[in-house]
Amino acid sequence: GEDVEQSLFLSVREGDSSVINCTYTDSSSTYLYWYKQEPGAGLQLLTYIFSNMDMKQDQRLTVLLNKKDKHLSLRIADTQTGDSAIYFCAGYSGGYQKVTFGTGTKLQVIP
Amino acid sequence: GAVVSQHPSWVICKSGTSVKIECRSLDFQATTMFWYRQFPKQSLMLMATSNEGSKATYEQGVEKDKFLINHASLTLSTLTVTSAHPEDSSFYICSARDGTGGEETQYFGPGTRLLVL
Repeated sequence: GEDVEQSLFLSVREGDSSVINCTYTDSSSTYLYWYKQEPGAGLQLLTYIFSNMDMKQDQRLTVLLNKKDKHLSLRIADTQTGDSAIYFCAGYSGGYQKVTFGTGTKLQVIP
Repeated sequence: GAVVSQHPSWVICKSGTSVKIECRSLDFQATTMFWYRQFPKQSLMLMATSNEGSKATYEQGVEKDKFLINHASLTLSTLTVTSAHPEDSSFYICSARDGTGGEETQYFGPGTRLLVL
């Protein structure tokens, strides 16, 4: 099966950019997702990228995909205190027909 | 690390029958569990939040009488798809929150694939 790894913790100052990184092992992953989990809530989809794309931008969010290195990143511009949450990356593998989640990165935004 | 299991991993049933899916936290107590549904080639959709000993909180658009959730103990939550129809065929994933030790971590089950004929 697939392994998806993330760093556990990231701290940034309000107004700075945040970059959350993720690596995965299954090169057949067709969709790669970023989810946000706020305290006490379930996952909410932030954005996703198809495996044939290198970059996707959605307002303050930029997703970069390096298929060669199997590396996915999420950049949040102008990070706000409301962005404090745990961020999960996930890969959908058509071969296994399942979604595999990373361990989550806790983002702390310092005012 | 913590493990969340789901049973069964695969289930095929006839239209009109009910199917129960179990989600267990194997080495920690989970006061909160979440149930997600994934349609083919799409992202997960949160269906409901399940708190031990109380009624589940359903997301908008999810029929609570159709998808019965029971969280009777700190290690077990069940999702019952009642009177299943082919459009209920999907991949169902649970996750469990471990709030012990002062840090909150969420662990995902391996998922259950449901096919309704």
